[in-house]
Parts: sequence; structure tokens; C-alpha cells
Amino acid sequence: NAGVTQTPKFQVLKTGQSMTLQCAQDMNHNSMYWYRQDPGMGLRLIYYSASEGTTDKGEVPNGYNVSRLNKREFSLRLESAAPSQTSVYFCASSVVVRTNYGYTFGSGTRLTVV
Amino acid sequence: GDSVTQMEGPVTLSEEAFLTINCTYTATGYPSLFWYVQYPGEGLQLLLKATKADDKGSNKGFEATYRKETTSFHLEKGSVQVSDSAVYFCALSDRDNQGGKLIFGQGTELSVKP
Repeated sequence: NAGVTQTPKFQVLKTGQSMTLQCAQDMNHNSMYWYRQDPGMGLRLIYYSASEGTTDKGEVPNGYNVSRLNKREFSLRLESAAPSQTSVYFCASSVVVRTNYGYTFGSGTRLTVV
Repeated sequence: GDSVTQMEGPVTLSEEAFLTINCTYTATGYPSLFWYVQYPGEGLQLLLKATKADDKGSNKGFEATYRKETTSFHLEKGSVQVSDSAVYFCALSDRDNQGGKLIFGQGTELSVKP
């Protein structure tokens, strides 16, 4: 049972390059999320998908796009990378049944933009 | 909007010392509260949670009580171990919030010395 799988684990980009971060979950969760983690700022939500076929902006969506390809997969795209997007990116998925929250995080993608 | 504030780190303790990490929140609804732990190089793992006022979450010797009157969810452990060295995140999720998004504090780094 893999949980949430993110690829790649590490990436270095030049300013202006594009790339897609992949995320897949095998827990049949409805909701999926992309967060970025920066020192002293905790995790901030970039985009989320409450269910298959829907996506919504989070706190810091500028410079990113997402695709909920199917129930399992939720990708994050940087169209033109900037040094300010250097960060660690985490994908997560969740199921919320009444008050029982089940969140699972991937192990992260460390992105450096030079 | 909803927010979470944690005490700043890093926190350095000797093994077997008592740990408190303060967490306060602001929310318009009736949030569920969480503590997540991140070990070096890994993703976030749920440590404990509480879904309503006066609930106490506990796991691995850690405890936190949901205090609505003081809007707090402080993390405590009676005797820390070197293996507890990690970054701890307080988070909330408003059950009325579509998609079950998590809002995180900035994280508190704990270092336990032998």
C-alpha cells in the first residue's frame, strides 16, 4: 500500500523552464492538495481538488496550474519557473467522513530554481 | 480568515525534559485541530487530533487538549527522547470548509540532546 507517491523527489530548473510535478494516491480519497513548505512559513496551500473534476485556488496559486487527471492523480505545473518557487512541495490526499479526517502526505519534491 | 500561530523555535531540550509547544488559532467556524510531525527528509505524519471542544488527542506520549475558551491546542509530552527531534506543525480544518483544507502554523523545530 503505497499511499501518496510524488515524483520527482529532487529537481533543479533554470529560470523560465517549465515542469510538472506528479502525484498519485491509491487510497480512493476524494480530495487532493498541493502545498509548498518554506522556512518559517509552515505549509501553504497552492491548489486543491475537493473531488474528481474540480480544482480550486488556495493561498498561493500564482505561477502554478493543476490538473486532476482522474481520482488517483493530481499534477502541479510550473509554466515558467522563478527563483521564488524554490521550495519543497508536498502533495496530500484526504477523506472526510463526518469528523474523521484522514490526511496522507507524500514525501515531498525538493525544487530549486536557479 | 482562519489562521494558526505556533511558538517560534528552535526548541532545544535535554532528554527526559518536559515539552510544551504552544499553538493558538483563529477560526470563524468549528474547526478540528491537529498536530503533525515531520522527521528530517520526510513528509508530514499525523501525530494527534481533536475534533471538538474539550477533546484530548494523544499518541506516543504526546497530548493536546482542544480549548475553545482560549482558542488553544498546546502540545505536551512529559519526557522527551532524542527520537522526538523533528519539526511539529499545528493545523486546523474547518469542517464547514469545502474540500477539508488544512491551515498550518509555521512549525516548531524540536531538538532533543542526550
